[in-house]
Amino acid sequence: KNQVEQSPQSLIILEGKNCTLQCNYTVSPFSNLRWYKQDTGRGPVSLTIMTFSENTKSNGRYTATLDADTKQSSLHITASQLSDSASYICVVRDTNAGKSTFGDGTTLTVKP
Amino acid sequence: IAGITQAPTSQILAAGRRMTLRCTQDMRHNAMYWYRQDLGLGLRLIHYSNTAGTTGKGEVPDGYSVSRANTDDFPLTLASAVPSQTSVYFCASSVGQGDQETQYFGPGTRLLVL
Repeated sequence: KNQVEQSPQSLIILEGKNCTLQCNYTVSPFSNLRWYKQDTGRGPVSLTIMTFSENTKSNGRYTATLDADTKQSSLHITASQLSDSASYICVVRDTNAGKSTFGDGTTLTVKP
Repeated sequence: IAGITQAPTSQILAAGRRMTLRCTQDMRHNAMYWYRQDLGLGLRLIHYSNTAGTTGKGEVPDGYSVSRANTDDFPLTLASAVPSQTSVYFCASSVGQGDQETQYFGPGTRLLVL
């Protein structure tokens, strides 16, 4: 069974600090890997999308990296803000099945 | 309307009752999806539709049905609700193909089945 595992499950950091969220997957072959941000009570919103040939993709203070050899991705948040408090979800799309597998998410809390 | 809308926002439902969750998008996306999100679990695909007139089963389709009469609407029906269907339901639509496919999510419907 294809799996997407995220760590840590939850994280608390102080405003202004950096953090890195991890995503390990077993989906193979995959066509793309996406990171979503989900604010409490809202639907997920796409942050980055990377194909298997891309190593990094940035969106403002968010930078996603991908190592297709080790099947790992990370989302780095720079100079965190209170508004970064949310759940961050890693999603991997299976090339053959054409389906996406969602990780359980990492809940980030940024405190003042 | 801009993007994806879902209705109702939330609902309390007696077990055994029939319920339809509505989803409408105005982006003319061909593909649409229904997910449920439960505490501590990732989003799980219930049903999907690649284009108007076609539907397919996802990971957890039992107890749910969908229809896709046109591009904009993708309702999800619970024929006889059970407490295990208590969840937050998200509708999504997608643009692009393969590598560049990106999903856009609605705000969700919170359903409590008693």
